[in-house]
Amino acid sequence: EDKVVQSPLSLVVHEGDTVTLNCSYEVTNFRSLLWYKQEKKAPTFLFMLTSSGIEKKSGRLSSILDKKELFSILNITATQTGDSAVYLCAVETGMYSGGGADGLTFGKGTHLIIQP
Amino acid sequence: DAGVIQSPRHEVTEMGQEVTLRCKPISGHNSLFWYRQTMMRGLELLIYFNNNVPIDDSGMPEDRFSAKMPNASFSTLKIQPSEPRDSAVYFCASSFRDRELGQPQHFGDGTRLSIL
Repeated sequence: EDKVVQSPLSLVVHEGDTVTLNCSYEVTNFRSLLWYKQEKKAPTFLFMLTSSGIEKKSGRLSSILDKKELFSILNITATQTGDSAVYLCAVETGMYSGGGADGLTFGKGTHLIIQP
Repeated sequence: DAGVIQSPRHEVTEMGQEVTLRCKPISGHNSLFWYRQTMMRGLELLIYFNNNVPIDDSGMPEDRFSAKMPNASFSTLKIQPSEPRDSAVYFCASSFRDRELGQPQHFGDGTRLSIL
């Protein structure tokens, strides 16, 4: 059974701190790893990683994948109260060769709270 | 561009009633996914379609659940009869993928379902 484990489950820091969120996985037929941010409604897409060792960056957020050790990290620097959310890690597996996408297996998420 | 559109946003109904959730994917996407989110189990994949064809429904909890995708711009998830344990937020997501290119899944705002 495919498994995605995130840590920590919750984290409280002060504005301006840097945080690192962890995601490890055990899946068959790995295709990609994705990070999402969920506030009150829908998960919103942050990063999609397919290659090991290549950092993806967007403003104060960055992420990297290690396919040998089967984990990824999400870094947020100079945190702001607007970064408070649940951050979800998900893995897409390539079970089907028909050319379409495959469903995602999600971790339980890290609940991040940024205090002013 | 319009995102994934789900309806209704909220549904409250009594146990035993039929519930139908609706989803319009992003135009041009060839894959559609139904997920369920609860506090206990997190986000779980129920079923997904590639080019309107159901690929994997192993996540559908019971025969009471069924899903259809009659065309590229519409899908339904039906629960009949509904039970209190079906109460959750149901998300629809869509993406485009072919053999060379994979894009991330984008989520609708969800339907919050409460079965009394």
